[in-house]
Amino acid sequence: SYVLTQPPSVSVAPGKTARITCAENNIGSQTVHWYQQKPGQAPVLVIYYDSDRPSGIPERFSGSNSGSTATLTISGVEAGDEAEYFCQVWDNRGDHYVFGTGTTVTVL
Amino acid sequence: EVQLVESGGGFVQPGGSLRLSCAASGFTFSKYWMHWVRQAPGKGLVWVSRTNSDGSTTSYADSVEGRFTMSRDNAKNTLYLEMNSLRAEDTAVYYCVRDPYDISGYYVFDHWGQGAPVTVAS
Repeated sequence: SYVLTQPPSVSVAPGKTARITCAENNIGSQTVHWYQQKPGQAPVLVIYYDSDRPSGIPERFSGSNSGSTATLTISGVEAGDEAEYFCQVWDNRGDHYVFGTGTTVTVL
Repeated sequence: EVQLVESGGGFVQPGGSLRLSCAASGFTFSKYWMHWVRQAPGKGLVWVSRTNSDGSTTSYADSVEGRFTMSRDNAKNTLYLEMNSLRAEDTAVYYCVRDPYDISGYYVFDHWGQGAPVTVAS
């Protein structure tokens, strides 16, 4: 089954760009979604179908997916972006759904 | 406004049973696939189970297959998770999650409930 590997943590200064990776062999052939989870809250969908944003999600959030790495990019990071971020794919080999290991974004 | 409200969580001894419910409102429940996703304390997200829009098919994670049963009542706009033979490792917050697959074609979780905590301990 898929194992989606994310860096445990990413630190970024306000106004800079944070990049969160999600690695798996040939993930580029999959559709990747991204979720933001703030402490004590339920996750929120921030990117779907590799790079589309749900309504209400700022344009600062963008996504890409190619080869063995999918990437969530947060431009002009704000303090309110501090959260844990998870990637997710559907594993068609077992009809299961797989989440990445999660990345905590800290705004310095 | 889409709302998913879980209930039925609580404390149970190993080997015991618990039934979670999820009341849905603000959308046409019968048109959406639904899932349960759990999160153990301090850990990541783990998918548990899925039902399609009319409840005719379900799928389960290997770790709960044979112990958990997911169902839905579209007339009552309610999702259920029957959990049997509970183990300490089932301790987690259980989220009810919406999936617009029949509409979008994507296997994505677009709305989440606030979660129901389940603790399995002696």
